[in-house]
Amino acid sequence: EIVLTQSPGTLFLSSGERATLSCRASQSVSSTYLAWYQQKPGQAPRLLIYGASTRATGIPDRFSGSGSGTDFTLTISRLEPEDFAVYYCQQYGSSPLTFGQGTKVEIK
Amino acid sequence: EVQLLESGGDLVQPGGSLRLSCAASGFTFSNSVMNWVRQGPGKGLEWVSTITGSGDATYYADSVKGRFTVSRDNSMNTLSLEMNSLRAEDTAIYYCAKGRGVFDYWGQGTLVTVSS
Repeated sequence: EIVLTQSPGTLFLSSGERATLSCRASQSVSSTYLAWYQQKPGQAPRLLIYGASTRATGIPDRFSGSGSGTDFTLTISRLEPEDFAVYYCQQYGSSPLTFGQGTKVEIK
Repeated sequence: EVQLLESGGDLVQPGGSLRLSCAASGFTFSNSVMNWVRQGPGKGLEWVSTITGSGDATYYADSVKGRFTVSRDNSMNTLSLEMNSLRAEDTAIYYCAKGRGVFDYWGQGTLVTVSS
């Protein structure tokens, strides 16, 4: 099973700042089968990024993903008020599908 | 517009059974791989099960294998999860989600609580 470790656990930032979230895999994720989701309180997760760097339909271009192998990054170029949420990475290159434990982006 | 609506969540005693359903609309259900993903209280996300579009292949997390059964009715655009021998650690919001590997659409979830 591929274990995904996200860091930091919590990120304290202000609107307009840049957010950099990390996801590290215990073994290489095949074919960059890595996705990122955003979850707000009381809501279902929303797909942001798949294939490590492809934005899902309707996702603003301030969200970008990068990385390969075992190290992946989600970057939010300038935080908007609606971006404060929990972010999860997920690998779908091997079974079982696994998620990271999440990074919470909080208002400083 | 893609819509996924889960139902069937309830309070159940340890060792009990429950059946969840997910009504789908807005896309070609029979062509779509469907999944169940759960989230324990205050916890992260855990993949539970996947079923192919035709229903001829199913996959399960080790934590539920042998206790949960996923199925689908393509004539009714409905996904189901039969849960038996429920344990306290199965307490979670259960989401149905569309997609092969990547979950591009999610329902709002249904709460299952396993407690005496």
